Amino acid sequence: EAGVAQSPRYKIIEKRQSVAFWCNPISGHATLYWYQQILGQGPKLLIQFQNNGVVDDSQLPKDRFSAERLKGVDSTLKIQPAKLEDSAVYLCASSLDISVSSYNEQFFGPGTRLTVL
Amino acid sequence: AQTVTQSQPEMSVQEAETVTLSCTYDTSESDYYLFWYKQPPSRQMILVIRQEAYKQQNATENRFSVNFQKAAKSFSLKISDSQLGDAAMYFCAYRSAWFGGSQGNLIFGKGTKLSVKP
Repeated sequence: EAGVAQSPRYKIIEKRQSVAFWCNPISGHATLYWYQQILGQGPKLLIQFQNNGVVDDSQLPKDRFSAERLKGVDSTLKIQPAKLEDSAVYLCASSLDISVSSYNEQFFGPGTRLTVL
Repeated sequence: AQTVTQSQPEMSVQEAETVTLSCTYDTSESDYYLFWYKQPPSRQMILVIRQEAYKQQNATENRFSVNFQKAAKSFSLKISDSQLGDAAMYFCAYRSAWFGGSQGNLIFGKGTKLSVKP
């Protein structure tokens, strides 16, 4: 079974530029998560999708971050414009439908390391 | 709001020895899940072990076991017979079992960096 795929693995940009990250979840996983992991900290949820609908985006800085999950499969996370403090690893995770079972393991992708100069 | 605290930024263990990583959490919920994740330099988060709060029995997975103290809100990870491949960042995480809202959202601690000496 293929795991969660993310691209690119690394990205270096100048501040005020735009950047986009892509995530392909495990086939059949209805729930998709984007986490931000700043150096020296644990991951923090940015946004959670259930199929193509948003479940939780309370911690997403909506003035600069946006995310979509068209057709309930792949997802894209965008930052525009980027700030220095956005330097972090962006992790994508997926799980089976959380509305069906109270526990569904989250499987993580390898992450994208973003450096903003 | 729930919080997870890992008070040991770094730990070191000799190969084949045993090490315990500490984690405390704060919640007003009665039903939840607790996890330990391993993150090697490759950055991929790997689930090591999980514990359901309603279960009194401590979870075990091969060389990994937990000491879950619900009243004390403590959840430590014991690694027995440590191996060089165990070297990584270890994160303790909490997840509500409540349906609805942000159910499924993992709340992580800051992590403990484990080094294994040959």
